[in-house]
Amino acid sequence: KNEVEQSPQNLTAQEGEFITINCSYSVGISALHWLQQHPGGGIVSLFMLSSGKKKHGRLIATINIQEKHSSLHITASHPRDSAVYICAVRFRGGADGLTFGKGTHLIIQP
Amino acid sequence: DVKVTQSSRYLVKRTGEKVFLECVQDMDHENMFWYRQDPGLGLRLIYFSYDVKMKEKGDIPEGYSVSREKKERFSLILESASTNQTSMYLCASSPSTGQGNTEAFFGQGTRLTVV
Repeated sequence: KNEVEQSPQNLTAQEGEFITINCSYSVGISALHWLQQHPGGGIVSLFMLSSGKKKHGRLIATINIQEKHSSLHITASHPRDSAVYICAVRFRGGADGLTFGKGTHLIIQP
Repeated sequence: DVKVTQSSRYLVKRTGEKVFLECVQDMDHENMFWYRQDPGLGLRLIYFSYDVKMKEKGDIPEGYSVSREKKERFSLILESASTNQTSMYLCASSPSTGQGNTEAFFGQGTRLTVV
């Protein structure tokens, strides 16, 4: 079964800390997405990756295709970064729908 | 500003009622999706559509049906709502390039409670 594993499930850190969230998947993919969900439910797409690394402000996403692994990093974390971060993949050859990790609930304390 | 809009943020329905969840996108996307999100289970695909009048079952289609009469609108239908369908429902859309590496856009979610 095609699976997406995320870690950690929950993470509490102090403002300013460097944050890493990990995602691993079981078989080849055509794309990996990092999503952010704030309380209230709406989901925002942060990154879509098929190789390498992308950076947007304090957020950095990397992917290692050979190891089937991706990381989302937040530098100089801030309380407004508190949210659920979700990794989602589109498996190669699969239907167009995404398969999601269970999410990482991040809390940044001031 | 691209948009996926779900018709309701919060909905309370009675067991046995027929429920319609509406989703509209203004990006001329071919693909549209309905997911549900439950604690401990994450998001799971219910149905998706890759063209008008086309639909495909996702991972958990039981108890649901869908309708796509126009490209911009994708409706999720609960024929007879049950309490185990209490959940957060998310609609998404994406363009179709045949290569799978396209951006996904999500609606704000509908929190449905069936009593």
